[in-house]
Amino acid sequence: ETGVTQSPTHLIKTRGQQVTLRCSSQSGHNTVSWYQQALGQGPQFIFQYYREEENGRGNFPPRFSGLQFPNYSSELNVNALELDDSALYLCASSIDRVEGEKLFFGSGTQLSVL
Amino acid sequence: GEDVEQSLFLSVREGDSSVINCTYTDSSSTYLYWYKQEPGAGLQLLTYIFSNMDMKQDQRLTVLLNKKDKHLSLRIADTQTGDSAIYFCAETFSGGYNKLIFGAGTRLAVHP
Repeated sequence: ETGVTQSPTHLIKTRGQQVTLRCSSQSGHNTVSWYQQALGQGPQFIFQYYREEENGRGNFPPRFSGLQFPNYSSELNVNALELDDSALYLCASSIDRVEGEKLFFGSGTQLSVL
Repeated sequence: GEDVEQSLFLSVREGDSSVINCTYTDSSSTYLYWYKQEPGAGLQLLTYIFSNMDMKQDQRLTVLLNKKDKHLSLRIADTQTGDSAIYFCAETFSGGYNKLIFGAGTRLAVHP
């Protein structure tokens, strides 16, 4: 039990739609990161938010965006969904944003795009 | 570049030792990690090692790091059926924020 919860657990969308995935971090964790894990692959870093500001981004297009709120909740938004966006989306929280800070992962949201 | 490579599959008999190998590319990584993922679950941190260490032991787990060859291994002693899962090696990104670069994962199957 990591204390990080994600909702929903499963989601089905069609191509072109928009989706919002939600994450609730542990209290006191000022950093949230999002990862995309395609089938048979390792997680890929999407971006990281620290104190409600994006402070690091992976190789993902601008249609992937995020929000972090003062109450330790956060969102991942994906616009104009594509078939290749089908994946498990993991959020991870940590106390701080520095390299090596322990990450606590949620169980993920499985997104299927048809 | 950013690349972490692992063999995709390992099958062992219950009670034997398992060794999962990984190579990474960023010599500046400060930490290297092993995560476990069971079906339908998120990532569970198993262990980690600082880049200035050669070995770390934690109960049944032994991590060996060869920094010269950028090679990391995880040994699981007395492997049990409950150890069946996907194991991910990950390195930290030395770019000023807390990003992990994962390998594709090694599926460990433990049979009687």
